[in-house]
Amino acid sequence: GQSLEQPSEVTAVEGAIVQINCTYQTSGFYGLSWYQQHDGGAPTFLSYNALDGLEETGRFSSFLSRSDSYGYLLLQELQMKDSASYFCAVRDGATGGFKTIFGAGTRLFVKA
Amino acid sequence: NAGVTQTPKFQVLKTGQSMTLQCAQDMNHNSMYWYRQDPGMGLRLIYYSASEGTTDKGEVPNGYNVSRLNKREFSLRLESAAPSQTSVYFCASSAGTANTGELFFGEGSRLTVL
Repeated sequence: GQSLEQPSEVTAVEGAIVQINCTYQTSGFYGLSWYQQHDGGAPTFLSYNALDGLEETGRFSSFLSRSDSYGYLLLQELQMKDSASYFCAVRDGATGGFKTIFGAGTRLFVKA
Repeated sequence: NAGVTQTPKFQVLKTGQSMTLQCAQDMNHNSMYWYRQDPGMGLRLIYYSASEGTTDKGEVPNGYNVSRLNKREFSLRLESAAPSQTSVYFCASSAGTANTGELFFGEGSRLTVL
C-alpha cells in the first residue's frame, strides 16, 4: 500500500516563509504532487516533482528526494489568501495504471 | 472549456437508497478518479479508471461501484447508501502519462445519508 505523512497544522505570519514537509512510502513511485484546497472548494494543482531537486513556480517551490522518500512545499512571501489546506500526493504506477494517493493534509494559517 | 463536471452538486438520501454520481471531462484525458473527503481529512481514492475500458479499486471501494461509460464519462454508484457514506465526493481526471502529475478536479458532490 501507500502512506504519506505531513504535519496537520502550520501557522505563519504574513510575509514569512513556510515549509510543509511530506514523507511517503509506496512501491511504485513515479512522482510527488502538491495541491491547495480552500474551505468549501476543490483541490487545485500546485506542482509535481518526478525527479530529485527543486521546482519553482512563482512564490511556491517544491522539492523531492527520492532516496529519502521525502519532499516539501515552500511558500514564500506569505499572503492571507494562502490560508488553506495543502496536500502532498504520490503518483503510483505499481498496478499498471497511474493512481494518485493523497496525504491527510496540512492546514496553513496565515496571521497578519 | 468546462473541465470536469459533476452532478448532482448536493444530494440527501435515506439509508438504503441508491444513487449515481455522474462525472464528465472534456479534456480528452485517459484517466479518471473518484475520491471522497470527510470533514477535516484528506482525499481517499474510491475507484479509478486508468484508461477507457478499465477500472480498479482504490483505498476505500466497499459500498461503491463504478462505470467508465466512455472516455469522457465515469460514474459512481451507491447501491444501498449508509450514513458512513456521508461525504464530499470529488471526480478528477488526468492525462494518465508518467510525466505529469496534475489532476483536474470537479467542484464536488455533497452527499448526506440520513
